[in-house]
Amino acid sequence: DSGVTQTPKHLITATGQRVTLRCSPRSGDLSVYWYQQSLDQGLQFLIQYYNGEERAKGNILERFSAQQFPDLHSELNLSSLELGDSALYFCASSPNTRANRGSGANVLTFGAGSRLTVL
Amino acid sequence: GNSVTQMEGPVTLSEEAFLTINCTYTATGYPSLFWYVQYPGEGLQLLLKATKADDKGSNKGFEATYRKETTSFHLEKGSVQVSDSAVYFCALSRAGGTSYGKLTFGQGTILTVHP
Repeated sequence: DSGVTQTPKHLITATGQRVTLRCSPRSGDLSVYWYQQSLDQGLQFLIQYYNGEERAKGNILERFSAQQFPDLHSELNLSSLELGDSALYFCASSPNTRANRGSGANVLTFGAGSRLTVL
Repeated sequence: GNSVTQMEGPVTLSEEAFLTINCTYTATGYPSLFWYVQYPGEGLQLLLKATKADDKGSNKGFEATYRKETTSFHLEKGSVQVSDSAVYFCALSRAGGTSYGKLTFGQGTILTVHP
């Protein structure tokens, strides 16, 4: 158990629908990252939050959105789903505190992932 | 931008064989370098890391040395086991900036070890 909890583990839905993936970071970690893993695109960075604020955006579609709540858990919302959105979605967390920036100690810890299947 | 290139797989070895998985990177400044491993049905786990040139990361018999002159971070293990079968990802993290900590991954290398 990595300490990063993702729910649900598996989700099957239809095109056009909307789903929400949830992530609870490791205790004490302030940053949350979302990644998408698919066979054709590999591991793609979607978005990062730090202590409730969006910090960086990657290849995240406009149909997707995320937020980090005051208790530091995060949700990734995927809407108007298409077949191509079928993938594994990983959440990761890290301390990313002022103390460990630049030291290489800011290691990301990943959850087990949420597998989304769009039919 | 930052990028990571790994040798294409899949790699198939017999138990106790020597393993090398090549990884090269492109980045500005002095990134930290990582190897992550993904076992079947699981998330990614940190295998080892190095934060500056000539650093050697090591864990569970795996090693990788940060070579700035060749921008490489090749993964090696002297004697692989069946339990090492997994997907291996090389990654970098750029120091500083507002996106500090974000990892850029290579495409992954599938390793299968046969008894």
